Amino acid sequence: EAEVAQSPRYKITEKSQAVAFWCDPISGHATLYWYRQILGQGPELLVQFQDESVVDDSQLPKDRFSAERLKGVDSTLKIQPAELGDSAMYLCASSPISWWNTEAFFGQGTRLTVV
Amino acid sequence: ELKVEQNPLFLSMQEGKNYTIYCNYSTTSDRLYWYRQDPGKSLESLFVLLSNGAVKQEGRLMASLDTKARLSTLHITAAVHDLSATYFCAVDIGGHTGNQFYFGTGTSLTVIP
Repeated sequence: EAEVAQSPRYKITEKSQAVAFWCDPISGHATLYWYRQILGQGPELLVQFQDESVVDDSQLPKDRFSAERLKGVDSTLKIQPAELGDSAMYLCASSPISWWNTEAFFGQGTRLTVV
Repeated sequence: ELKVEQNPLFLSMQEGKNYTIYCNYSTTSDRLYWYRQDPGKSLESLFVLLSNGAVKQEGRLMASLDTKARLSTLHITAAVHDLSATYFCAVDIGGHTGNQFYFGTGTSLTVIP
């Protein structure tokens, strides 16, 4: 069964260091999402791609976060420098473009702890 | 600002009982999704509701959508321990070029034997 792949599963980093997460969506899915989920809260959309283009990054803290999807397939989310408040689960999801609507399929997530 | 609110936030119920989780949203949309999340895990899709009046059922869970009231419900029938998890609704405000999901606050459900 196709699934969204994320790595690493867990990451511990010191504040002020750089950290990067990788996501490989389900093959053929044009839309890719990065969500941040703070413990006890719902996922918050950080950035959404349609192929290689950014559709929505209004909630992405651009002073420290960046995201790219250069070839319209896999994607990388980077934080530099990391802050204590960035500790959260980072979830990647994908969905196909379709004239009928479908749900987003989520990866297992990367749990980031900033110390 | 789009708001997606769920209530209750926390729900503790005994096995065999029935209960309903509510999801209210503040913008026009006729597409709503329910997800389940187990502790430390990712989100699992439960239901896709794509029109006013849509009703979907799977096992002990039934979801419905009233787009005029901007309300979706997730009804639990005769709860069992395995249903313990956090449940999220997500509103889709995207158009034909793709989905844009906004998640609710989540409802943490504990079913007590």
